Amino acid sequence: EADIYQTPRYLVIGTGKKITLECSQTMGHDKMYWYQQDPGMELHLIHYSYGVNSTEKGDLSSESTVSRIRTEHFPLTLESARPSHTSQYLCASSESLVLMPGANVLTFGAGSRLTVL
Amino acid sequence: GESVGLHLPTLSVQEGDNSIINCAYSNSASDYFIWYKQESGKGPQFIIDIRSNMDKRQGQRVTVLLNKTVKHLSLQIAATQPGDSAVYFCAENRGSSNTGKLIFGQGTTLQVKP
Repeated sequence: EADIYQTPRYLVIGTGKKITLECSQTMGHDKMYWYQQDPGMELHLIHYSYGVNSTEKGDLSSESTVSRIRTEHFPLTLESARPSHTSQYLCASSESLVLMPGANVLTFGAGSRLTVL
Repeated sequence: GESVGLHLPTLSVQEGDNSIINCAYSNSASDYFIWYKQESGKGPQFIIDIRSNMDKRQGQRVTVLLNKTVKHLSLQIAATQPGDSAVYFCAENRGSSNTGKLIFGQGTTLQVKP
């Protein structure tokens, strides 16, 4: 079982609310990621981090922001949620070293399904 | 833009048959590919990976084949079981840097009929 946890699993909120999606991993992985996934569709990278105090935007533009103050924690925040933010958000982590097969493997959390009314 | 894609959105197979899920990619610079399985309500789970210097890799009941000439990747599942029902994604890592910035395809839903 993956040691990466996301809360809340499901969240329904009104437009304009501020929300934070939590992601924590106990594997000591340096790299962490946030992917956005609409139902039945592919995953799109929206944020990633290579370590503490490191954050970068992903390939898909997102109005959300992230922080990485501790290795194990990578929360995602939406300051003012809108219906267009309705989606599933998946957090993942991976080890830094990559010279072995499987070393680039991402371990995913179960996801946070956000619905903005 | 360039993307990783799957040929069929849905594949229905009989329990016990072999399943073949296909994926086409367009970036010849991609050097690493992964197959993920995503069950309903869960995050993607690693199945098997392959590097571009290989053309075949086998795991338990699964085999990944890579054809770099036609930029095609396939996942073969032997003796498909009801528990194999899920959405399967192929993903690629572009370039030699290990950024973990995987590009995902759209997914194929595997339905296993009893």
